[in-house]
Amino acid sequence: NAGVTQTPKFRVLKTGQSMTLLCAQDMNHEYMYWYRQDPGMGLRLIHYSVGEGTTAKGEVPDGYNVSRLKKQNFLLGLESAAPSQTSVYFCASGQTGTGYHGYTFGSGTRLTVV
Amino acid sequence: AQTVTQSQPEMSVQEAETVTLSCTYDTSESDYYLFWYKQPPSRQMILVIRQEAYKQQNATENRFSVNFQKAAKSFSLKISDSQLGDAAMYFCAYMDTDKLIFGTGTRLQVFP
Repeated sequence: NAGVTQTPKFRVLKTGQSMTLLCAQDMNHEYMYWYRQDPGMGLRLIHYSVGEGTTAKGEVPDGYNVSRLKKQNFLLGLESAAPSQTSVYFCASGQTGTGYHGYTFGSGTRLTVV
Repeated sequence: AQTVTQSQPEMSVQEAETVTLSCTYDTSESDYYLFWYKQPPSRQMILVIRQEAYKQQNATENRFSVNFQKAAKSFSLKISDSQLGDAAMYFCAYMDTDKLIFGTGTRLQVFP
């Protein structure tokens, strides 16, 4: 019963480096999301996907790219990391419709860009 | 665009007492969902309670209940018989078709 798994859990990057965060869910959910959490700002939506092969921009998409090649995976990429991208990143998955119970979140990735 | 506002950055309550956390939202939709999530120091996001906008009855989950006022676009969370384990960040969230939007959170402290 894994739910939503994020890798890695911690990462330190140098400015200008690139990296990919992986989110995997085993609940056959259609919807997947990437958020960033910063002090005093709650969780802000970066990008999301409503199904395999689809992606859409959220509130703060600049500097990030995503891909959803397989239904169970949602990747978040940083092409050229900046200190402003230091944050805790959360992935979530969910399903709408009758009996909908809310989203399931991963445990987060703490990213520091120096 | 939909927005969610939590006007109380911090709240405190004595153990066994009752506390209410406020949340307002803005939307032009008539059908949507509202949620309260708890985030303890472990950082895990835990669903506390959810409300469907078309249901008039306020949702209740054990010691947690909501006061949903659709016309006023208000969705407050009441925690009864507060326990030390209730200390956490609480986030109000809104969803209509496909996006879950969060407020900025309220940090709840519980004193023995």
